[in-house]
Amino acid sequence: GQQVMQIPQYQHVQEGEDFTTYCNSSTTLSNIQWYKQRPGGHPVFLIQLVKSGEVKKQKRLTFQFGEAKKNSSLHITATQTTDVGTYFCAGPTQGGSEKLVFGKGMKLTVNP
Amino acid sequence: GAGVSQTPSNKVTEKGKYVELRCDPISGHTALYWYRQSLGQGPEFLIYFQGTGAADDSGLPNDRFFAVRPEGSVSTLKIQRTERGDSAVYLCASSATWLAGDTQYFGPGTRLTVL
Repeated sequence: GQQVMQIPQYQHVQEGEDFTTYCNSSTTLSNIQWYKQRPGGHPVFLIQLVKSGEVKKQKRLTFQFGEAKKNSSLHITATQTTDVGTYFCAGPTQGGSEKLVFGKGMKLTVNP
Repeated sequence: GAGVSQTPSNKVTEKGKYVELRCDPISGHTALYWYRQSLGQGPEFLIYFQGTGAADDSGLPNDRFFAVRPEGSVSTLKIQRTERGDSAVYLCASSATWLAGDTQYFGPGTRLTVL
């Protein structure tokens, strides 16, 4: 079945550092969505990318959708302790159905 | 309402018992989803409703799991003869429409523990 893989699964950075995390789908996606889940919390929608090669920014977060619409990246600039949490990417199943297939997530910890 | 609400927030039960988990979606949202999240994993799709009808229940693991949404708003996920492997956080999400790509808003989840 359709799979969404995220690398790395864990990321530990010093406060102020930049880093990038990646999401890869086994199939072409109509769109890709990113969610953030704080420790003990629930997934909170961050952004959706639809177009091939699309880039969107939210303050220090930059999201990109690959040209082939099978991968995506999240780049965080000048990481802060408030960025701590698990970041999930998710894409709809083939055929553009409404249910989302989530990756296992990238757990971010920040050393102040 | 202000957001998706779920009750109870925590449920501890014994193996073999029946449980019901409730989800109250954002007012006016047509689509409602149930996901299950195990420790260290992403949410896993269970079932999805358009209005009152289950549009896709392909993620339900077996016939011990059932969900209803009789009036197109509140939904209940029902688990019969619970097993230890059912322990997880059950997340509910709703979206304004059932169009693919419409933002799904998640509730706080119900943490189910089966002893």
